[in-house]
Amino acid sequence: AQSVTQLDSQVPVFEEAPVELRCNYSSSVSVYLFWYVQYPNQGLQLLLKYLSGSTLVKGINGFEAEFNKSQTSFHLRKPSVHISDTAEYFCAVGIYSGSARQLTFGSGTQLTVLP
Amino acid sequence: DAGITQSPRHKVTETGTPVTLRCHQTENHRYMYWYRQDPGHGLRLIHYSYGVKDTDKGEVSDGYSVSRSKTEDFLLTLESATSSQTSVYFCAISESMVGAGSSYNEQFFGPGTRLTVL
Repeated sequence: AQSVTQLDSQVPVFEEAPVELRCNYSSSVSVYLFWYVQYPNQGLQLLLKYLSGSTLVKGINGFEAEFNKSQTSFHLRKPSVHISDTAEYFCAVGIYSGSARQLTFGSGTQLTVLP
Repeated sequence: DAGITQSPRHKVTETGTPVTLRCHQTENHRYMYWYRQDPGHGLRLIHYSYGVKDTDKGEVSDGYSVSRSKTEDFLLTLESATSSQTSVYFCAISESMVGAGSSYNEQFFGPGTRLTVL
């Protein structure tokens, strides 16, 4: 079975500073990966996804993530954050093989952007 | 936004009472999921459905049952609610998509139901 670890439960950062949210996964088969964002009192929205090919993927709101197969990581980055980026971020992994159509989610990282 | 609604959006109930949460979709997606979200645990899968009348258990299914009699509706029932089931419940839908030569599922989430069991 696959698993996802988000190494930081809380990340405070000042406005206009860069940020990296870390995600590591484990799986014995090929995976695809997502980052979702959850604003207060809302559902999850897709930020970006990696299916295959180019390891650097770009998403909405200026976020990007890099897939690193050797380190089994999929870290999320933004070069300059805004107050409006304050939210909880979830990494999720799915597997290509088999009939299961489930995602496994990490425990989330709360990003707080400080003025 | 994907057409997913959840009802009710908020509910307060007492221990031992039955509770049913409803998820309704207008996207005609095959797969539907129920998750619970608790601090420090992220989202944990309760049950999912891969078609009408076809359901399976997730990692935290004890105390929950589901039914799907129509493509558009997926019901989650707590037969006898307990305080440990106080949580935010999210419904998600997905359909198999093809990307990079393989099939994958991207999930779309409803707005959530906040359930408090006293």
